[in-house]
Amino acid sequence: DAKTTQPNSMESNEEEPVHLPCNHSTISGTDYIHWYRQLPSQGPEYVIHGLTSNVNNRMASLAIAEDRKSSTLILHRATLRDAAVYYCILRGVFGNEKLTFGTGTRLTIIP
Amino acid sequence: EAQVTQNPRYLITVTGKKLTVTCSQNMNHEYMSWYRQDPGLGLRQIYYSMNVEVTDKGDVPEGYKVSRKEKRNFPLILESPSPNQTSLYFCASSLRGLVYEQYFGPGTRLTVT
Repeated sequence: DAKTTQPNSMESNEEEPVHLPCNHSTISGTDYIHWYRQLPSQGPEYVIHGLTSNVNNRMASLAIAEDRKSSTLILHRATLRDAAVYYCILRGVFGNEKLTFGTGTRLTIIP
Repeated sequence: EAQVTQNPRYLITVTGKKLTVTCSQNMNHEYMSWYRQDPGLGLRQIYYSMNVEVTDKGDVPEGYKVSRKEKRNFPLILESPSPNQTSLYFCASSLRGLVYEQYFGPGTRLTVT
């Protein structure tokens, strides 16, 4: 399975945008990019996913590089509730319904 | 309320004593999955099920069994638990495979002594 690389931790100020990077240089043409987050003492929570084009939803935006070797999760206006571990995961589509989580990025929001 | 429930939430047991962790979802989802979470290792998938009577191994299936006799339930069975299965376990479900978002349960903290 293609691997992702994320910073171990990041800090951001409350009410400012946050850009969480993810490198996936060995991504294949059919791999989807998924993002989940895990708030303290909770199960993971779906954030967003995409294939090639940038994606937006009510929680975040996903910007995918043109060569697809990297992507960025954008939280437009961070709140204290966004403090969590964010996981960037690649998912293949052919006969593969497994998700392999890495260790993610721990995001701290500074009030 | 749409949710994934797990029972028990906390369990302390001894080596070799068979146990079952139940998982149930009320969203009529076809796909269900089990993960374990350990410090420094992140979340690792144990087993998943695409639909009733269809199960497949994840990344760390050794020492675990699952069954999917009904759509809503996906129990995790440890026939002979060992201390290395001490972990935090999460069940998840999605409508139909991973192209749809997964909903996770609250977790079961298992300690095997």
